[in-house]
Amino acid sequence: GAGVSQSPRYKVAKRGQDVALRCDPISGHVSLFWYQQALGQGPEFLTYFQNEAQLDKSGLPSDRFFAERPEGSVSTLKIQRTQQEDSAVYLCASRGSLRHNEQFFGPGTRLTVL
Amino acid sequence: AQTVTQSQPEMSVQEAETVTLSCTYDTSESDYYLFWYKQPPSRQMILVIRQEAYKQQNATENRFSVNFQKAAKSFSLKISDSQLGDAAMYFCAYRRGPGNQFYFGTGTSLTVIP
Repeated sequence: GAGVSQSPRYKVAKRGQDVALRCDPISGHVSLFWYQQALGQGPEFLTYFQNEAQLDKSGLPSDRFFAERPEGSVSTLKIQRTQQEDSAVYLCASRGSLRHNEQFFGPGTRLTVL
Repeated sequence: AQTVTQSQPEMSVQEAETVTLSCTYDTSESDYYLFWYKQPPSRQMILVIRQEAYKQQNATENRFSVNFQKAAKSFSLKISDSQLGDAAMYFCAYRRGPGNQFYFGTGTSLTVIP
């Protein structure tokens, strides 16, 4: 596609459920990022992939959060045993090459944990 | 650690007038990039303008320009001839030169008054 897509756009989960959020980056983009955006806040970095390698996961808030990009394209962010504080918009972004400065963002997935 | 501060949670401007959004940042790096992103209610983050720290000339993109004061670590965005479509959340972001992740401010909500 022409841009970064994410699915689902909205997800409601009961506390304790596991969720999986999908990101389809721009075709051919090497780098992929996940951010968490709480209500009224700016996005905060979660993790970064270069192709299939997860090079930085320092922003993941707990071991309940797990991300993968097995074939270097589509990525999935999984949250296990969701808690109310996980409620946020999860943004995915991709970048074409290491020299590019711009990250192209997807529309995000709004997760609400009840 | 890098921090980005946007001290104006909300701003408003009359249509066709000019408005300036403030951003300051803290870093010990000499090589970095600064960005302004626009986030409309659809949540899609859209790049407005970027500035390389090594460039002394302020970046300009049509009605959007920046005032980059490197010594003061200030990076303000000026929107000229404001249009109704400019209404959105605006985020200032920092990226370290050799690094990958973006650091975002908390955003400024811009209202354009017809």
